[in-house]
This record gives sequence, structure tokens and C-alpha cells, in this order.
Amino acid sequence: GAGVSQSPSNKVTEKGKDVELRCDPISGHTALYWYRQSLGQGLEFLIYFQGNSAPDKSGLPSDRFSAERTGGSVSTLTIQRTQQEDSAVYLCASSFRDAGYTFGSGTRLTVV
Amino acid sequence: AQRVTQPEKLLSVFKGAPVELKCNYSYSGSPELFWYVQYSRQRLQLLLRHISRESIKGFTADLNKGETSFHLKKPFAQEEDSAMYYCALNTNAGKSTFGDGTTLTVKP
Repeated sequence: GAGVSQSPSNKVTEKGKDVELRCDPISGHTALYWYRQSLGQGLEFLIYFQGNSAPDKSGLPSDRFSAERTGGSVSTLTIQRTQQEDSAVYLCASSFRDAGYTFGSGTRLTVV
Repeated sequence: AQRVTQPEKLLSVFKGAPVELKCNYSYSGSPELFWYVQYSRQRLQLLLRHISRESIKGFTADLNKGETSFHLKKPFAQEEDSAMYYCALNTNAGKSTFGDGTTLTVKP
């Protein structure tokens, strides 16, 4: 596609519910990243997919968080049993080699 | 471990004044550095990368390995430069570490 697409753009969920966030990267970009941006904070790395290699999950804050990337393209970030501290903007980005990231517009998650 | 520090959370200058957004990094290997910008109600986007040695929208940034810095500069700030700026360090691990960002306000 022309850019990185994320859905939904906004999600309000009740504490304890599961949520799925979707990212559709730029076609041909081999790397896909998830970051989290909390109010007034920088970007917190969550997970990184590169081609067919095992993902780098070192940034996932707890085992309630998981992500997969199907067919080397679309990725889904799942948060189980959401907590209020999970409220943030979840950003997806993709890249090709060392050209820098192209970001999506993010999913604003609010846990009430 | 790699780290990126942007010491100024907020920076305010007048239109036409020079502006410098500071970025320092720590990394023992050969770094790749980037600046990203997020204008109000827009998505985060790449501004420039050190390897390209380019000037984008009048901004330049020079990698100083001795001082481990990658400061972003513009000689004459414009109101449309008001935005949040992030410095990022890419290592051979493939993923970027971002600083906490600097909010630049250019006053008329």
C-alpha cells in the first residue's frame, strides 16, 4: 500500500477485556515494529519482526502482550486482560533495510 | 546498552532565530542516527538520517562521534517548524531506540 495502515484508530475497552490492534505495512518492507507512546513519554519499543527470523520480543512489558505477523505482511498486536496502564498510543512502523521507519497513524487505546 | 538522550523536553524560539535540538547517544558500535518529526495531528515521520548528509526543510544534523552527539540545527526557524522532534539510534540489532522527544515551539 501507499503507507502503513493501522486499525482501529481509536479503541476504548473495559479493564480485563482483550484487544487486537492491526497493522498493514508497506508492501515490500521486510521489517515491522510495534512501539508504544504514552502521554508525555517517548517511544517504548515492544516487538520487531524481520523477514522470516524469530521476532525480537524483548520489549513486551508482560505476557499479556503478544504479536504475530502473518505471511510476512500484516501484523496483529494482542493485549489480553487489559489494564489501565495499557492506555497509550500504539504505533506500528515498517522499514526496508536501513532507510528509516515509516510510521502508521497509531491506535489510541483507552482502558476504562 | 544503547541510549538516546534529548535533554530538552521543551524548546521555544522566535521566528527567524537559530534553533538547535540536542541529541546525545551511547552506543559502543557504529551508530546510525535519525531525526523524526511529528507535527500536530499528523503521524510521526522521518526527517533526516545522518548517513544521507542531507538538508531537509532547512534542517541539518551532523554526527559527532567524539561527543556522541547528533544535534539538529536550523539557522532560521519558521512557525511551521513547531512540532515534536525525536532522535533515534539504530544499531546492528535492527531496531531503533528513541529519545523522549523535544517539543519545539516557534513564536511569531
